Amino acid sequence: DSGVTQTPKHLITATGQRVTLRCSPRSGDLSVYWYQQSLDQGLQFLIQYYNGEERAKGNILERFSAQQFPDLHSELNLSSLELGDSALYFCASSPYNGGENTDTQYFGPGTRLTVL
Amino acid sequence: LAKTTQPISMDSYEGQEVNITCSHNNIATNDYITWYQQFPSQGPRFIIQGYKTKVTNEVASLFIPADRKSSTLSLPRVSLSDTAVYYCLGFDRGSTLGRLYFGRGTQLTVWP
Repeated sequence: DSGVTQTPKHLITATGQRVTLRCSPRSGDLSVYWYQQSLDQGLQFLIQYYNGEERAKGNILERFSAQQFPDLHSELNLSSLELGDSALYFCASSPYNGGENTDTQYFGPGTRLTVL
Repeated sequence: LAKTTQPISMDSYEGQEVNITCSHNNIATNDYITWYQQFPSQGPRFIIQGYKTKVTNEVASLFIPADRKSSTLSLPRVSLSDTAVYYCLGFDRGSTLGRLYFGRGTQLTVWP
């Protein structure tokens, strides 16, 4: 158990819909990362938040957005869903604060999104 | 950030030592070599990290030669539960960003 929790574990929805994925980082970790893992693209970095502020963006679509709340939990919002958005979505956390990059990342169990 | 290349798959038998080699020809001075392990439908898990020479922990050893253009993850006496995907990453300690870049990884299958 990494200490990172994600809900829901599974999500099935239809094209065009909007969903919200939730992540609670390890206690004390200020940085949260979102990754998408699909069969054809592998594990791709989407976005990073540090202490409520967006820190870095990766291959995140405009239809996707995220935020980190004052209690440090984070939500990933996916809208206008397409079949190709079906994937495993992982959240990771670390104490990393933008200084020397020594901290490993701890991954949650993931949310499996299926778009029908 | 270093682009890494590693074998797509490897097979082994229980009790054997497994060595997975990763090539990273353009590794930068600030890059640390980091390995993660991922079981099916689970998030990746940190295994080991090093800069050069040899690093050992309770799970694995990591060998990095002086030129740092490659590294080898060594798993001693593997068991069936070591069947997983192993990712070699370049981890930029000098960056102000903490994100990880995952390649396709190496699927290790351990047979009885």
